[in-house]
Amino acid sequence: AQSVAQPEDQVNVAEGNPLTVKCTYSVSGNPYLFWYVQYPNRGLQFLLKYITGDNLVKGSYGFEAEFNKSQTSFHLKKPSALVSDSALYFCAVRGFSTGRRALTFGSGTRLQVQP
Amino acid sequence: DTGVSQDPRHKITKRGQNVTFRCDPISEHNRLYWYRQTLGQGPEFLTYFQNEAQLEKSRLLSDRFSAERPKGSFSTLEIQRTEQGDSAMYLCASSLEADSPQETQYFGPGTRLLVL
Repeated sequence: AQSVAQPEDQVNVAEGNPLTVKCTYSVSGNPYLFWYVQYPNRGLQFLLKYITGDNLVKGSYGFEAEFNKSQTSFHLKKPSALVSDSALYFCAVRGFSTGRRALTFGSGTRLQVQP
Repeated sequence: DTGVSQDPRHKITKRGQNVTFRCDPISEHNRLYWYRQTLGQGPEFLTYFQNEAQLEKSRLLSDRFSAERPKGSFSTLEIQRTEQGDSAMYLCASSLEADSPQETQYFGPGTRLLVL
C-alpha cells in the first residue's frame, strides 16, 4: 500500500518569508512524488515532480521540493512567499513498481500568506 | 493548448436521481483518470482508462457508479440512485506518458455534486 502524510493542516507565513510545506510518504520500491496546488473551486494544478536524479526539484511559480530518501520526505519550499501563493497544496505519490498508475494524495495543507 | 475540461461544473440533484458527468481530456492523451474529492480531503482514485479500456477500478466505485470511454477520447461517469454520501467534487485527469515514470496527470476543474 502507498500513503502520504501532510502533518500540517495549515501553514501561515508572512509575505517575503520562506515557506515550507511538509510531506512524508510510504511506498514499495522507488517513489514518484508530485506536488499540486488547488485554488478555491478549481481543479488541481501540477507544480513539480520527482522521478529520479537530483534531490532538489524545481517547478512552477518559483516552487521547489527536496526529496530525502532516508527520511521518506518530499517537502515543498519557496524562498520568498507571495500573497497569491495562498491556496491548498497536495502531495501525491505513485509507486511505479507496484504497477498502480493512480496517485495517492495526502489530505492537503492550506497555505496562508499574510501581507 | 486546451486543458482538461469537465461538464457540468456544478450539479444539484435529489437523492435517488441519476447523474452523468463528462470529461474531455487533453488532446491525444491516452490515459484518463477519475478521482473523487470530499471536503477537507485529498482526491481519491476511482478508476482509469487507457484509450477505451478500463484498466483499474477502486473499491470506492460501487455498483451504482459506471464509467465509459467509448472511443478513447471523452469519458462519462454516471452515478445511479444518488445518495447524500455521493456529494463531492469529481475530478478528471489525463496523461500522455503511459507506462513511463515521467507520466504526469493534468486535472480538470472538477464537477461539484450536491445530493439533497
